[in-house]
Amino acid sequence: QQQVKQSPQSLIVQKGGISIINCAYENTAFDYFPWYQQFPGKGPALLIAIRPDVSEKKEGRFTISFNKSAKQFSLHIMDSQPGDSATYFCAAGNSGNTPLVFGKGTRLSVIA
Amino acid sequence: GAGVSQSPSNKVTEKGKDVELRCDPISGHTALYWYRQSLGQGLEFLIYFQGNSAPDKSGLPSDRFSAERTGGSVSTLTIQRTQQEDSAVYLCASSLPVLETQYFGPGTRLLVL
Repeated sequence: QQQVKQSPQSLIVQKGGISIINCAYENTAFDYFPWYQQFPGKGPALLIAIRPDVSEKKEGRFTISFNKSAKQFSLHIMDSQPGDSATYFCAAGNSGNTPLVFGKGTRLSVIA
Repeated sequence: GAGVSQSPSNKVTEKGKDVELRCDPISGHTALYWYRQSLGQGLEFLIYFQGNSAPDKSGLPSDRFSAERTGGSVSTLTIQRTQQEDSAVYLCASSLPVLETQYFGPGTRLLVL
């Protein structure tokens, strides 16, 4: 009930390409879906987040697509750059200060 | 401003020893979280403090793990009688009241030999 399943585990994308990472959740009570970016040796940092009242949110090259009926959400990175190479985690939670449930992460490598 | 800080950044200990990990949250953040990140795994919730409320300890894996938060600020995670499977990165995060964005520290890398 509390799981968030993330795929793929790793991803290699050419510079300028589109990176797509998918997540699925089970608990319909979740109403907050953030994506975190983590560089080696650093803590995760919030990249972008969405609530279920919208189906898409875009911030620069990063877009979250959300499908409430399928209980799925995805991160799209347009025009991927080598500097985007990092591990990306999707998460789910409830409004307010509550612990997040994280996916297992996707290691993205953007190659020139 | 200063972010979440954690100390030590690295800790090597022998099996059976006790360790203490420290977290200094961002000033004014009432919520504080501890997570554990094992190699190839996501972040596993351990414990959560919110203001003066009783902490949510539902994620602690065993009674060897405990945490406290003094004065609503600094938090210490204690692992007693460490085991090799406790080796992981321990991450602390804090957030403002009501808002969901959690700000993470750099973590403490614990290695139990």
